[in-house]
Amino acid sequence: GDSVTQMEGPVTLSEEAFLTINCTYTATGYPSLFWYVQYPGEGLQLLLKATKADDKGSNKGFEATYRKETTSFHLEKGSVQVSDSAVYFCALRRNAGNMLTFGGGTRLMVKP
Amino acid sequence: NAGVTQTPKFRILKIGQSMTLQCTQDMNHNYMYWYRQDPGMGLKLIYYSVGAGITDKGEVPNGYNVSRSTTEDFPLRLELAAPSQTSVYFCATQDGTSSYEQYFGPGTRLTVT
Repeated sequence: GDSVTQMEGPVTLSEEAFLTINCTYTATGYPSLFWYVQYPGEGLQLLLKATKADDKGSNKGFEATYRKETTSFHLEKGSVQVSDSAVYFCALRRNAGNMLTFGGGTRLMVKP
Repeated sequence: NAGVTQTPKFRILKIGQSMTLQCTQDMNHNYMYWYRQDPGMGLKLIYYSVGAGITDKGEVPNGYNVSRSTTEDFPLRLELAAPSQTSVYFCATQDGTSSYEQYFGPGTRLTVT
């Protein structure tokens, strides 16, 4: 079946540091890929998406590129802020359906 | 627009008790989902619905029931609460036609002791 694997957290960074959160997936066909973010006490929000190979999703300074050859969708940001502290979830959706498969989430803590 | 609302925010149940988690949306989305989020784990799909009157099981449906009598409401029922159902429960909606984004409610934290 489909699965998503994320690096385990927590990831602790200083403000303005470079961020990478790794995500790899297993799925049949060509899924769409997503990053969701969960701020403390809130539900998940879509951060960015990519629907086909080599697409780059971007939002709020975050980027991720759909790499079919390595089945990866790593999340990056050049300079993190304290306000980026949250849990980040990688997810996939098979093109034949609407259901999402989530990774385990990675907690990011940014210190001033 | 309130978006997706969930009640209650927190609840403590004793083993064997029952309760209903409420989910209401005002976005007129056809698709609705119930997930549970266990500590350090990703979200797992419990049940989903593609429209009023239609529901289907997700990955972890045992111990739960749902109904979808209206577009707006998608309640989740726990009949005989067990400690294994201690979790945070999220309801989500999706347009299902033109958009693949899911919109999540703020969650209900349930503890069964």
